Amino acid sequence: GENVEQHPSTLSVQEGDSAVIKCTYSDSASNYFPWYKQELGKGPQLIIDIRSNVGEKKDQRIAVTLNKTAKHFSLHITETQPEDSAVYFCAASIRPGTASKLTFGTGTRLQVTL
Amino acid sequence: DTGVSQDPRHKITKRGQNVTFRCDPISEHNRLYWYRQTLGQGPEFLTYFQNEAQLEKSRLLSDRFSAERPKGSFSTLEIQRTEQGDSAMYLCASSSRLAGGPGSDTGELFFGEGSRLTVL
Repeated sequence: GENVEQHPSTLSVQEGDSAVIKCTYSDSASNYFPWYKQELGKGPQLIIDIRSNVGEKKDQRIAVTLNKTAKHFSLHITETQPEDSAVYFCAASIRPGTASKLTFGTGTRLQVTL
Repeated sequence: DTGVSQDPRHKITKRGQNVTFRCDPISEHNRLYWYRQTLGQGPEFLTYFQNEAQLEKSRLLSDRFSAERPKGSFSTLEIQRTEQGDSAMYLCASSSRLAGGPGSDTGELFFGEGSRLTVL
C-alpha cells in the first residue's frame, strides 16, 4: 500500500518568514495530494490540494509543488503569521478510485513566533 | 452549524467495555469515512460508506469494530471489548460525489472534530 513520509516533524519560524514542509510517497499510482491543517482540538481542514497533472498550485500565501518523477511534494507558506501555527499533514490517494481513501503523513507541528 | 458533527467528543471507559460513536455528515454528502488518529500521528483510514453501503474496510478494523450507516445519513462506529490500544481520536469525514460518474468527486474531505476515546 501507499506510504507517505513527512519532514520535518516540528518547525519553528519567525513571523514573516517562509515555512517549507516536504513529503514523499511510495505508490507511483497516487495522483491526488492534499494538505490539511489541524488546530488543537479540531479535525483536519483542507488548505490546498494538487493533482498529478499539475506541477505547482498557489493560493495566496500557500503553494504546493509536485515532482512526480521523484515522488515528492512540498507545502510552502510565505509571510507566516501566528495563526498559521498548527499541525500540517500531507496525504496521498489514487483518484478516481476508492473515493478519498487518504494515506496521511505523520504531521509537522509549525510554530510561528513573534 | 452545517459541518460534520460527532458525538460524544470525549469518552473514558474501562477495558472490556463497549463504546459507540455517532457521526452526522454534511447533509448533502453521500460519502462518509471513519479515520483513527493516535497521538503524534496522521489519521489512518478505517472504513468508508457510499450511501448505506460499506464499500471498504481497512485491516485496522478488527472484528471488534463495526460501523453502520443504516439509512445513508448518520453513521455509528462501535468498538466491543475495548482494549487500551484502542485509545485514540476517532475522526469522521464526509464528501460529496457529484452526479458525473465515478471520477466526479470534489475531492475534499470535511472532517468532524473527532471523538476522543480513552480506555483505562
